[in-house]
This record gives sequence, structure tokens and C-alpha cells, in this order.
Amino acid sequence: KQEVTQIPAALSVPEGENLVLNCSFTDSAIYNLQWFRQDPGKGLTSLLLIQSSQREQTSGRLNASLDKSSGRSTLYIAASQPGDSATYLCAVPKGGGSEKLVFGKGTKLTVNP
Amino acid sequence: EAQVTQNPRYLITVTGKKLTVTCSQNMNHEYMSWYRQDPGLGLRQIYYSMNVEVTDKGDVPEGYKVSRKEKRNFPLILESPSPNQTSLYFCASSLVFGQLNNEQFFGPGTRLTVL
Repeated sequence: KQEVTQIPAALSVPEGENLVLNCSFTDSAIYNLQWFRQDPGKGLTSLLLIQSSQREQTSGRLNASLDKSSGRSTLYIAASQPGDSATYLCAVPKGGGSEKLVFGKGTKLTVNP
Repeated sequence: EAQVTQNPRYLITVTGKKLTVTCSQNMNHEYMSWYRQDPGLGLRQIYYSMNVEVTDKGDVPEGYKVSRKEKRNFPLILESPSPNQTSLYFCASSLVFGQLNNEQFFGPGTRLTVL
């Protein structure tokens, strides 16, 4: 059974700080891993998708890494801004007759001005 | 603009009154799915569809129905809503399921309250 864990559950940092969000998964047989951002009561915005054959993906100030063998991914946010405040979710696809994304519970990030 | 749309965005209803939440995507995606999000429980899949006329149960299908008569639409039907179906609902879609570059896109969500 695939389980996804995100630590920490909440993180508060001052503006300008570089930070790392962690995601771990129990079954390394994944096609890819996707990072999402969710603002309070809003939808999920896809930030990055890392294919299982890739080690990193970058988009602007965001960099996601994937280590399949150890079941870990990190999302690095450079020079954080108050507008980065949101909940960040990671998810991996699960197939085998139950085709869905398995989500972590998320990390709630607050960037203080 | 490529997107997943849901309607309504907000709905307050009463127990037992049938309702439908619509989901539509304009990306010619084969795979579509419904999730509900509840505090402390995270996102849980309700139903999914691999293609037209192909639907299957997710983790929490009780009390819900779906149909996939055409590729772009995947409505979620609550025949007799109950208060425990009060939740934030998301529709998602992707080109297919289970490939390396298969990115899933989510709708804006529907906040449902059942009194």
C-alpha cells in the first residue's frame, strides 16, 4: 500500500529565506511525483512533475528533486516571499486497479514579511 | 485556455435533495477523477474514469454516482445527500493514467454544505 508522508506539517519562515519541504513515499515503483500548491479553500495548482527517470525539475524559484530508491522528494523554494504562503502537497500515482493520486497531508507554509 | 471547470463553486443544500456537480475539461483527456478533501483526512478519491463509458470506484464511493457519456464531462451525482457529504470536492483530469509525463490538472473545487 502506497503511503505518502510530508514533514513538517507546518513551517513558518521570514521572508527571503531558502527552504526545503520534504515528501516521502513507501513504494518506490512510481511513474512520477507531482508537487501542488493549495491556497486556503482553493483548488490545487500543479507546480512541478518529476518523472521517475529524472532527478530534478526546476520552475523559477522552485526546484524539486526525486530519489526513487530512498522514496524521497524535496521541494526547494529559493528566496521565499509572503506570496508563497500556502499548503504544499506532493502526490504519486497508484495503479493496479485503483488508478488515483496518493497525496501527502501537506506542509502549510507561512512566509512572514 | 486549457482548464478543468466545475460548477457550482459553492452549494448549500438540504438532506435528501438530489444534486449534480458538473466537471468539464477542454484538453481531450481520457482520465478523469473526483476527490473530496476533509480536514485531517486529506484528499480521498471518490470515483474515476479511464475513458468514455469506463468508470470505477475509488476509496469512498458510497453515496455518489458518476457517468462518463462523453470525453469532456464527468458529473458527480449525489442522489440523496447527507450531512457527512459536506466537503470540498475536486475534479481532476490527465491525458491518460500511469505514464511518465502524466500531469494531473485539478478544477477549482466545489464547496458543498448539506444541512
